[in-house]
Amino acid sequence: GQQLNQSPQSMFIQEGEDVSMNCTSSSIFNTWLWYKQDPGEGPVLLIALYKAGELTSNGRLTAQFGITRKDSFLNISASIPSDVGIYFCAGRKIQGAQKLVFGQGTRLTINP
Amino acid sequence: SQTIHQWPATLVQPVGSPLSLECTVEGTSNPNLYWYRQAAGRGLQLLFYSVGIGQISSEVPQNLSASRPQDRQFILSSKKLLLSDSGFYLCAWTTSGTYNEQFFGPGTRLTVL
Repeated sequence: GQQLNQSPQSMFIQEGEDVSMNCTSSSIFNTWLWYKQDPGEGPVLLIALYKAGELTSNGRLTAQFGITRKDSFLNISASIPSDVGIYFCAGRKIQGAQKLVFGQGTRLTINP
Repeated sequence: SQTIHQWPATLVQPVGSPLSLECTVEGTSNPNLYWYRQAAGRGLQLLFYSVGIGQISSEVPQNLSASRPQDRQFILSSKKLLLSDSGFYLCAWTTSGTYNEQFFGPGTRLTVL
């Protein structure tokens, strides 16, 4: 099925560094969602974006809905060890559509 | 508040044996329900989704089937498991409507030997 292009696939950073990851598509999306998955657990919703240009924060996390509606990014400031995990973007082309399109994930590793 | 449960948490089954994984949602009514599979270190593959009791949409041809006998219950089944059925199975739900964020259950780790 269709996938979003999520990058980078993996990141190795030092504790305290800022992190940036993004998702792009050739198609327009009306909703962008960002999830974090810890090992052996289900993904947890971090941020939901519904309007082009929208910038939303959740603690140290900030996500933006690209103005072209074809991309979104997630930033994490001042990373801490519990930020380790896999981050997924997901998009919905039509508001209220039943299915999401997922990126392949960004695996974040933090060196203390 | 809404919660989603999956069981069992882990399962080890021999090839050729049947499978039944259960997912239930509490605190909401008429949710859309989803089954995903995740291979190790990989992304999420949508297997089935349901918009109502008895309504099942299959996304990929496979050895699995799904059923929705009750509004908030979603079951993933197989008559005969294959080695390739191993993986992490996730159930998810959304409300109907425009702003329908999707929430995941804790997952079931299935190993087929």
